[in-house]
Amino acid sequence: NAGVTQTPKFQVLKTGQSMTLQCAQDMNHEYMSWYRQDPGMGLRLIHYSVGAGITDQGEVPNGYNVSRSTTEDFPLRLLSAAPSQTSVYFCASAGRYEQYFGPGTRLTVT
Amino acid sequence: DAKTTQPPSMDCAEGRAANLPCNHSTISGNEYVYWYRQIHSQGPQYIIHGLKNNETNEMASLIITEDRKSSTLILPHATLRDTAVYYCIVRLGAGGTSYGKLTFGQGTILTVHP
Repeated sequence: NAGVTQTPKFQVLKTGQSMTLQCAQDMNHEYMSWYRQDPGMGLRLIHYSVGAGITDQGEVPNGYNVSRSTTEDFPLRLLSAAPSQTSVYFCASAGRYEQYFGPGTRLTVT
Repeated sequence: DAKTTQPPSMDCAEGRAANLPCNHSTISGNEYVYWYRQIHSQGPQYIIHGLKNNETNEMASLIITEDRKSSTLILPHATLRDTAVYYCIVRLGAGGTSYGKLTFGQGTILTVHP
């Protein structure tokens, strides 16, 4: 049972490039979400999904797209990277009460 | 979800109990108190949650006041590995439109000293 996995661990992008952050969970959880964490700040919710085919926006959705074609996977797409998107990105899946977080992807946009 | 207030930082000696307070004076009757922690740059880790009764698990104890307006997370024998940012979060339990959403504040930086 790997829990929540994220790839890549580190990524450097140039402004305007696009990329996809991968997230997968093997706990058969319906609910998954993406957060970003800027230095010295708490986590902020970007997008979430309550099941395959269903996604919704969180607190800071601009510049990001998500889709949920399977229960296991919840990729986050950066459409046109900007320096303001330099952050650490965490994916999470939720059981009935607790959430399980992945190890994070550290993204730098230059 | 109700807003929480936590002290920005606390210190604790190794082996002693760490008592982390949280104020949530606007909590509603169906909202739970959750605690997560984040060690260095890792993903947050669930610790414990409760509704109105005190709770204990292998990691910690949660004491919720009778009026539910505040709570205390207790790490009974703190170790150096407990040095982390601790987040107190209030939210609805499973189900409802806020299912799964966690609103993170600044948390409390707990430093455990040798």
